[in-house]
Amino acid sequence: SQKIEQNSEALNIQEGKTATLTCNYTNYSPAYLQWYRQDPGRGPVFLLLIRENEKEKRKERLKVTFDTTLKQSLFHITASQPADSATYLCALEKDAGNMLTFGGGTRLMVKP
Amino acid sequence: DAGVIQSPRHEVTEMGQEVTLRCKPISGHDYLFWYRQTMMRGLELLIYFNNNVPIDDSGMPEDRFSAKMPNASFSTLKIQPSEPRDSAVYFCASRVYTGELFFGEGSRLTVL
Repeated sequence: SQKIEQNSEALNIQEGKTATLTCNYTNYSPAYLQWYRQDPGRGPVFLLLIRENEKEKRKERLKVTFDTTLKQSLFHITASQPADSATYLCALEKDAGNMLTFGGGTRLMVKP
Repeated sequence: DAGVIQSPRHEVTEMGQEVTLRCKPISGHDYLFWYRQTMMRGLELLIYFNNNVPIDDSGMPEDRFSAKMPNASFSTLKIQPSEPRDSAVYFCASRVYTGELFFGEGSRLTVL
């Protein structure tokens, strides 16, 4: 069966350090992978999209990698700030115009 | 645009009652998704529409759940009769053909 796995344990890091979150998947051949941020009591908010033929994507302090051989995406936040504390969700899309399936999310806590 | 608008934001009801959740997608978006989020199961896709037509409803838990999209600017998710295990946050999201999903703020349902 298809699975999208994110570390269910919270990630605690010190302000200024780089946070690295992992998304692993099995029995999937996604065309797109997306990362979202969710704050308590709010809906998820889109951060980055990476295509299967792209290795890396950057946006300001954010960087996403996509390794279709390892079936893994890494999400990095450099120079982390307490305001980056949230739950981060990865989502896979098999084909364009199809449905997005989400992982369970990883909660990030950045301490001052 | 005001974004995806959901109502009600909070609903408390008793077991056996009918519940109707409403969603107004972003104008011009031709895909609409209904998700359910719980601590145990994370964010699950229930059903999605393309141009007001249901495409995949395999995530709808059982016949007590139904969803409609009578026009491009309105969708409903109905639960009849409701049960305590239906308690969750229900999100509506919309998008164009590919790219990011725009989520509403969710409807928190509590069934007593």
